[in-house]
Amino acid sequence: AQSVAQPEDQVNVAEGNPLTVKCTYSVSGNPYLFWYVQYPNRGLQFLLKYITGDNLVKGSYGFEAEFNKSQTSFHLKKPSALVSDSALYFCAVRDSLIYGNNRLAFGKGNQVVVIP
Amino acid sequence: ETGVTQTPRHLVMGMTNKKSLKCEQHLGHNAMYWYKQSAKKPLELMFVYNFKEQTENNSVPSRFSPECPNSSHLFLHLHTLQPEDSALYLCASSQDKGGGTDTQYFGPGTRLTVL
Repeated sequence: AQSVAQPEDQVNVAEGNPLTVKCTYSVSGNPYLFWYVQYPNRGLQFLLKYITGDNLVKGSYGFEAEFNKSQTSFHLKKPSALVSDSALYFCAVRDSLIYGNNRLAFGKGNQVVVIP
Repeated sequence: ETGVTQTPRHLVMGMTNKKSLKCEQHLGHNAMYWYKQSAKKPLELMFVYNFKEQTENNSVPSRFSPECPNSSHLFLHLHTLQPEDSALYLCASSQDKGGGTDTQYFGPGTRLTVL
């Protein structure tokens, strides 16, 4: 089975402060991990993914995420938040052990509110 | 978002109507997906097509009927829906090479309201 948990419903941060959105995962094999962002009335936009290699992954719009195998986490980070970063953020995982696995398991999402 | 387009963007239908959602991907991908997004819930995978063949049906009620005539187009035919089917329906596509590392790219969604 594969699943992710995004423990916080909403993350509030002041503009210019660091932003962190938390994600933990559960898989049987190695995880393939993804972050997406959704703006109001829009589809999901891909931010970044971890497949293998360097634990720190850099993505779009200044976002990065750190893979931590011992803590089974893949937290999304941005050093300095912008008001335009206010959106819904989704973490997703795919289990490498499941052959031909098309299925992505999504978390319920975190609403990020950046306060001017 | 121009890589995956969906029409219509908004749809209101009665419980006895028949309607269809359309998705088109311009990315040259070989796999397409339908998801249902309801408020405060994780995205629910409904159907997966690889090379036009349905490879997954995630216990979706028969009032939802997918169709994939080619690798660029995907339809979701709707009939006798229930109010609880009101949601945002998202289409996605990816280049599936079998290893599970492919990225899914999403369309803007169709906001469906069932009266």
